[in-house]
Amino acid sequence: QSALTQPPSVSGSPGQSVTISCTGTSSDVGSYNRVSWYQQPPGTAPKLMVYDVTNRPSGVPDRFSGSKSGNTASLTISGLQAEDEADYYCSSYTTSSTFVFGTGTKVTVL
Amino acid sequence: QVQLQESGPGLVKPSETLSLTCSVSGGSLSTSYWSWIRQPPGKGLEWIGNVLYSGGTNYNPSLKSRVTISVGTSKNHFSLKLSSVTAADTAVYYCARNNCGGDCFDPWGQGTLVTVSS
Repeated sequence: QSALTQPPSVSGSPGQSVTISCTGTSSDVGSYNRVSWYQQPPGTAPKLMVYDVTNRPSGVPDRFSGSKSGNTASLTISGLQAEDEADYYCSSYTTSSTFVFGTGTKVTVL
Repeated sequence: QVQLQESGPGLVKPSETLSLTCSVSGGSLSTSYWSWIRQPPGKGLEWIGNVLYSGGTNYNPSLKSRVTISVGTSKNHFSLKLSSVTAADTAVYYCARNNCGGDCFDPWGQGTLVTVSS
């Protein structure tokens, strides 16, 4: 299985919005609404930010929102804050009953 | 609140078997699948596989021939064995619960660095 494709980096000024794409295939992202997103500041374990494409766990700010169209899922961070600077990874369940992660995106707050 | 903690040797010799344990506290192993995930230094995340309390497993096809994930006899931990390791297996290894009805990884352990070197 191949990793899902994410842009290596995105950046924005405080208060702006940024969107991270996550492109897979009809065997993963396109088959299920089972896409999740993780935030990983340097030197720490990943933290769940969005699951099942659009759902936020308790405690995650509503500035983080997810969507999906076809084989591509997206994470949007609205009202960007300095604390949002981190690496972000998507993940999807697959038709082979496995999971695959995205290549990762570094978010920089200018 | 479920908490996970990885443990095991931090250094493994090439061609040997990497063995790690994930201790689970604050919850029952019987409620979920449980996964192992790794991250080579400076690189992205790779799902290794998962195990159900009953013993059912799923593995990443690229690692399947070398991986065994099992539930411990005490039923409050699960384990990872990766055979015939090379330098390419050097990574931070995380354990995590498959939550959200099985669709996500939450929570995660803090991770443990395993270096493959002679």
